[in-house]
Amino acid sequence: NAGVTQTPKFQVLKTGQSMTLQCAQDMNHNSMYWYRQDPGMGLRLIYYSASEGTTDKGEVPNGYNVSRLNKREFSLRLESAAPSQTSVYFCASSYDSGGYERESYEQYFGPGTRLTVT
Amino acid sequence: SQQGEEDPQALSIQEGENATMNCSYKTSINNLQWYRQNSGRGLVHLILIRSNEREKHSGRLRVTLDTSKKSSSLLITASRAADTASYFCATDRRGGSNYKLTFGKGTLLTVNP
Repeated sequence: NAGVTQTPKFQVLKTGQSMTLQCAQDMNHNSMYWYRQDPGMGLRLIYYSASEGTTDKGEVPNGYNVSRLNKREFSLRLESAAPSQTSVYFCASSYDSGGYERESYEQYFGPGTRLTVT
Repeated sequence: SQQGEEDPQALSIQEGENATMNCSYKTSINNLQWYRQNSGRGLVHLILIRSNEREKHSGRLRVTLDTSKKSSSLLITASRAADTASYFCATDRRGGSNYKLTFGKGTLLTVNP
């Protein structure tokens, strides 16, 4: 089992360029997440997908789009990169119980993508 | 807004000592989770404690949960240099259809050999 994989590991973009961060998991989890981590800010949720075919905004969604391509894959797109999007991006997956009162269980994280926007 | 807040922000101890980190949160939860992050790596899940549990152990880790005070503590006993990492608590809020697992800003633990 590879767990959660992310590509690329590092990326440098110029302001205004676009790119897609790829994430895949092989644990048959229903939920997948994209976070960004900035110094002193902890982890902040950008978008999540509770199941295949659904996506929802997290705490900091502006400037990003996502696609849940299938149960395994969840991509994050920056349409027009800005220096404020310089960060480390983590993808994660988990099982959660579903429904309105659903409960989230342990999340498995990928190794991260270090993105610099100049 | 931040649901979980760890305390202290940084902790430095000698190898063999115990390390205690605390987490406070604001709303009712289903569970509380602790994660470790080594420098430059992704987070690794350590332990999950549910709202109806008061204490849980895993190896050298002991987690307590006090729902009346909305707080949790993580104790690492007989620390090793390899325990040097950032530790995060994450809370799964009860109710609602939105995402509910929210991470704190972390405690940086340094274990000196």
